[in-house]
Amino acid sequence: AQSVSQHNHHVILSEAASLELGCNYSYGGTVNLFWYVQYPGQHLQLLLKYFSGDPLVKGIKGFEAEFIKSKFSFNLRKPSVQWSDTAEYFCAVNAPSSASKIIFGSGTRLSIRP
Amino acid sequence: SAVISQKPSRDICQRGTSLTIQCQVDSQVTMMFWYRQQPGQSLTLIATANQGSEATYESGFVIDKFPISRPNLTFSTLTVSNMSPEDSSIYLCSAVPRGSNTEAFFGQGTRLTVV
Repeated sequence: AQSVSQHNHHVILSEAASLELGCNYSYGGTVNLFWYVQYPGQHLQLLLKYFSGDPLVKGIKGFEAEFIKSKFSFNLRKPSVQWSDTAEYFCAVNAPSSASKIIFGSGTRLSIRP
Repeated sequence: SAVISQKPSRDICQRGTSLTIQCQVDSQVTMMFWYRQQPGQSLTLIATANQGSEATYESGFVIDKFPISRPNLTFSTLTVSNMSPEDSSIYLCSAVPRGSNTEAFFGQGTRLTVV
């Protein structure tokens, strides 16, 4: 069965700092990988996704993530965060053989100090 | 993409009662799922709603507690039965549109409080 681990439960940064949120997954086969964001009081939105091809994927709002197959990782990065990036970030994995169901990590709460 | 509408958006219910949550998608979708997000926690998959057949439940979730229907490609319901305060949570409907290659969209959720 698939599982997803997010290493950081709560990250606090100042504006303009660089961000990296860790994500590791457990599954031996082909996977699709996602980062979702949940802003306070809002529903889940897709930040970016990896299905195949270039392992460095770019998403909305300046976010990017790199798929490293040998490390089973899909870390999220942003070179300079803004106060508006304050949100909960969820890494998620889907195995195409598992009928499209998506399994989520525990989430990382990101707080940005203005 | 898909726009997902859930009703009700929130409710406060007495323990021992049941609540049915409705999920409507604006386009035909291949897969529909129900998740639970307990306060301060991540999303836990409850079940896959299968059109015209019984839902597929994840470990720890059973049909008697969470009956699910999916009569067509755009609509599903989740019932939370015989509620207790531990069922207080946000319940989310998710859908994968046809041809989207498994990207999932989410509704706003139903915030349930059991008193």
